[in-house]
Amino acid sequence: QSVLTQPPSASGTPGQRVTISCSGSSSNIGRNTVNWYQQLPGTAPKLLIYSNNQRPSGVPDRFSGSKSGTSASLAISGLQSEDEADYFCAARDDTLNGVVFGGGTKLTVL
Amino acid sequence: EVQLVQSGAEVKKPGESLKISCKGSGYSFSSYWIAWVRQMPGKGLEWMGIIYPGDSDTKYSPSFQGQVTISADKSISTAYLQWSSLKASDTAMYYCAKHFYSGSYYAPFDYWGQGTLVTVSS
Repeated sequence: QSVLTQPPSASGTPGQRVTISCSGSSSNIGRNTVNWYQQLPGTAPKLLIYSNNQRPSGVPDRFSGSKSGTSASLAISGLQSEDEADYFCAARDDTLNGVVFGGGTKLTVL
Repeated sequence: EVQLVQSGAEVKKPGESLKISCKGSGYSFSSYWIAWVRQMPGKGLEWMGIIYPGDSDTKYSPSFQGQVTISADKSISTAYLQWSSLKASDTAMYYCAKHFYSGSYYAPFDYWGQGTLVTVSS
């Protein structure tokens, strides 16, 4: 059981906007920033969003992040087939003294 | 170009020891924390711990404290993850990852190794 809760799956058609949620608590998301990672099939994870809503260089602006209270969201607009991947949220947890991840959301592009 | 290159896949028996490696290049290896992350088959990501290669300061997840040892040799820009006695439940993909910025135990990871698959089976 992961400390951060994500829906196991999400889907959308090309061009659509999809959102993936990440729910935590006051010891993690409630007081720390959230990062998002994209893991394409058979590859290592890639940093997609950091500090709630910042994109590293090279990440398209179709990807955006937000945080409110103890929850965070990743939004993908203009969905493309190459966005089909697993998405993980992560945050510092002050009670566990470490980084905690969500269980991951498998995004399918129909 | 920043790269983290991990050692190859391993197949071991329960009770055996193992040390896997992660060699960094293209940046100041000593100056950024390196994390180890476990991904069990078909599962999510788990933070195991971190090491600062500059002085080998380490921090472990409570879940992995005492189960593994993280070390580094800054002279050859390499970090290590080792087990003294493997269990079948250690079967997983293990990733090393570089912190995006220095100065925090909990920075995001901007570069990842390709992963080392460890299989423990009798």
